[in-house]
Amino acid sequence: NAGVTQTPKFQVLKTGQSMTLQCAQDMNHNSMYWYRQDPGMGLRLIYYSASEGTTDKGEVPNGYNVSRLNKREFSLRLESAAPSQTSVYFCASRGTPQASNNSPLHFGNGTRLTVT
Amino acid sequence: RKEVEQDPGPFNVPEGATVAFNCTYSNSASQSFFWYRQDCRKEPKLLMSVYSSGNEDGRFTAQLNRASQYISLLIRDSKLSDSATYLCVVNMYIPPGTYKYIFGTGTRLKVLA
Repeated sequence: NAGVTQTPKFQVLKTGQSMTLQCAQDMNHNSMYWYRQDPGMGLRLIYYSASEGTTDKGEVPNGYNVSRLNKREFSLRLESAAPSQTSVYFCASRGTPQASNNSPLHFGNGTRLTVT
Repeated sequence: RKEVEQDPGPFNVPEGATVAFNCTYSNSASQSFFWYRQDCRKEPKLLMSVYSSGNEDGRFTAQLNRASQYISLLIRDSKLSDSATYLCVVNMYIPPGTYKYIFGTGTRLKVLA
């Protein structure tokens, strides 16, 4: 009963390097989300995917790309990392096909990324 | 103005105290409401959904006032283990078929022995 699984847990990058954060859920959820969390800023939405095959920008999409590979997996890519992207990244999912509007988000454990 | 506003705290309370957190939201189209708990360096976890008639789960009571766009969380008989950050969350429908979740910055609670 894994829920939402994120990898890696920690990562240090140098400015300009690229990396992909992986996320998978086993709850048959339709929608998946990527958030970043910074001190004093709360969780901010980077990208979301309403369903397999669709992705949309959230509040802070610049510098990121996403891929909804299939219903289970939603990856976040940093093409050229910058120090401003140092943050904690959370993947989340919600909504089986029968879900109501009151369906909550389920989060992965997070990825702590430092860009030097 | 932030879409979801919370007092950041910290609230330092003794064990056994009752503590209340408030949250206001700006978008009247908000549909559903939640309180999440986040421990230091961990992911947010659902504490409870908030229903229009108010709802209770053990020592926790949540209230919603749609007219005032206000949500509250009351914790009775505080335990040391209640120390955490409490996040107020609202969601809104995004056509054609999903929801956007907006988070407050959280209220820190520290329960003291």
